[in-house]
Amino acid sequence: KAGVTQTPRYLIKTRGQQVTLSCSPISGHRSVSWYQQTPGQGLQFLFEYFSETQRNKGNFPGRFSGRQFSNSRSEMNVSTLELGDSALYLCASTEAGAGEQYFGPGTRLTVT
Amino acid sequence: GENVEQHPSTLSVQEGDSAVIKCTYSDSASNYFPWYKQELGKRPQLIIDIRSNVGEKKDQRIAVTLNKTAKHFSLHITETQPEDSAVYFCAASIMSDMRFGAGTRLTVKP
Repeated sequence: KAGVTQTPRYLIKTRGQQVTLSCSPISGHRSVSWYQQTPGQGLQFLFEYFSETQRNKGNFPGRFSGRQFSNSRSEMNVSTLELGDSALYLCASTEAGAGEQYFGPGTRLTVT
Repeated sequence: GENVEQHPSTLSVQEGDSAVIKCTYSDSASNYFPWYKQELGKRPQLIIDIRSNVGEKKDQRIAVTLNKTAKHFSLHITETQPEDSAVYFCAASIMSDMRFGAGTRLTVKP
């Protein structure tokens, strides 16, 4: 099976702009989670989608949003970008229940 | 939500020594505890996991122990090798809601 893919891999944006990141899970995986990774902060949980519904949400402001499509592909959107949003954004997919999460390569977002 | 604390944040050992990383979690409903290894520039990859109905699990040089009463779990790496150098993350999960610790940067000196 193909692994988790994310596009784009790198992105440079200006403060105030918005950005959309995409994640395609492993075929058959219905759960997609998003994480923000910054140096020293580890993996901060953003949200998790299952069957097109947001099932869990982390402690991020409303500027961070996401959605999932019927084919399980997911997008996350960040509006009104701030310098502090510069990070590696990772998505991970898993089958319906608890178990190993398979990570994508990440999208490195730089906000200038 | 679940809160996972991980210690130490950095760990340096001599090749051949053992390394231990400890994590605590807050939600007693957590039932799945994976450990991920992330090498520089790469994505996190699962190295071992344990479920709440098991107290210990071993895979070659790697072992994980879980104490449900105290809500803590640990990763043990024996006979460390330079290729073990990486950042290690613990996590605690309730169903697919997985929360990670802040990571431990392990350096194994040859």
